Amino acid sequence: AQTVTQSQPEMSVQEAETVTLSCTYDTSESDYYLFWYKQPPSRQMILVIRQEAYKQQNATENRFSVNFQKAAKSFSLKISDSQLGDAAMYFCALLGDTGTASKLTFGTGTRLQVTL
Amino acid sequence: EAQVTQNPRYLITVTGKKLTVTCSQNMNHEYMSWYRQDPGLGLRQIYYSMNVEVTDKGDVPEGYKVSRKEKRNFPLILESPSPNQTSLYFCASSGVWGGAETQYFGPGTRLLVL
Repeated sequence: AQTVTQSQPEMSVQEAETVTLSCTYDTSESDYYLFWYKQPPSRQMILVIRQEAYKQQNATENRFSVNFQKAAKSFSLKISDSQLGDAAMYFCALLGDTGTASKLTFGTGTRLQVTL
Repeated sequence: EAQVTQNPRYLITVTGKKLTVTCSQNMNHEYMSWYRQDPGLGLRQIYYSMNVEVTDKGDVPEGYKVSRKEKRNFPLILESPSPNQTSLYFCASSGVWGGAETQYFGPGTRLLVL
């Protein structure tokens, strides 16, 4: 079984500052994918960033970057120059191969508040 | 425009009244899946389908049925809804493992069972 843990139910950051959201996971697979999804008040699930486990280089997408520590099974999201529009629920997710199908497992989410 | 659509977006029903939530994707994806989202629990997989006529249970399949008769459609059926199925439901699709693994989500269906 694969699990994803987000230990920070809520985080707060001031506009223009940097914040890091934590995620740890467990899987027996050696090849898998990790994602961060953003869910704004509209409830739409929006892909923020993805990381292939076989790549050592950390993924980046504009102001969003990850710190992927494969040995520690850690996958944190860093948001730089935070903006009001970044306020949302953020979900970490693990896509692994269960043998019969690829399965996406989510963490319980971190609600990010952005203040002026 | 590549997208996953769900209908209805909002639904209020009563216990025991059968309902179907439709899901359709226009990306020719093989893999489709249903999730439910509940406060404090994140998203949990209900059912998934690897291709036409191939479906399997996810983590929380009890009380739900699915079918995959066409590649683009993957309806979720609640034969006898109960209040504990009140939730936000998402449909998602992706290419097969080894291809386009990123799952694309529909806009969600908010269901209230009285």
